[in-house]
Amino acid sequence: EADIYQTPRYLVIGTGKKITLECSQTMGHDKMYWYQQDPGMELHLIHYSYGVNSTEKGDLSSESTVSRIRTEHFPLTLESARPSHTSQYLCASSGLQGGSTDTQYFGPGTRLTVL
Amino acid sequence: AQTVTQSQPEMSVQEAETVTLSCTYDTSENNYYLFWYKQPPSRQMILVIRQEAYKQQNATENRFSVNFQKAAKSFSLKISDSQLGDTAMYFCAFMKHRGGGGKLIFGQGTELSVKP
Repeated sequence: EADIYQTPRYLVIGTGKKITLECSQTMGHDKMYWYQQDPGMELHLIHYSYGVNSTEKGDLSSESTVSRIRTEHFPLTLESARPSHTSQYLCASSGLQGGSTDTQYFGPGTRLTVL
Repeated sequence: AQTVTQSQPEMSVQEAETVTLSCTYDTSENNYYLFWYKQPPSRQMILVIRQEAYKQQNATENRFSVNFQKAAKSFSLKISDSQLGDTAMYFCAFMKHRGGGGKLIFGQGTELSVKP
């Protein structure tokens, strides 16, 4: 069982607010990922990181930004939330510890609703 | 570019019976990984099974097994002795062995309902 955490689990917020979704893992994994998932749909990669101070944009364009200052922490920020940002956001990690380097372990997700 | 296709949006099975979920993919890579993930209604994505393309032997994990047909680019999941707790969305996913940055490409998902 992977030790990867996301907070908050649910967030309802008004348009224009700045929000940060938290993701932490205790496995020492070097790689971390953010996916966006609409209900009943597939996951799309929006950001990833290979290690501290390394971040890249994923395949799906997103207005969000990420940072990786510590190995265990990979927060996602929306400077000005809009209704189009309503979705579920899943964080994942992979690395040498806790299993194969090529297997991603997922957090429980944050369900974001922007009114 | 790689694509993953799951052609069964929804499936149902009676408890204790066997069900097979289909997945096909398209790639020009020779070496890669394939995964099945399970996402129960609580939404935590859980790894079910993993297959390395260079291994001819099909992966198995207890009641879960795959039928990996590399030439046909097919990767189906068989669930034996289905249990109510198997009710979930199942996603097939592809990852390049090298050069892909560890990124997963997901299929559209199959919603499986196990009925008592």
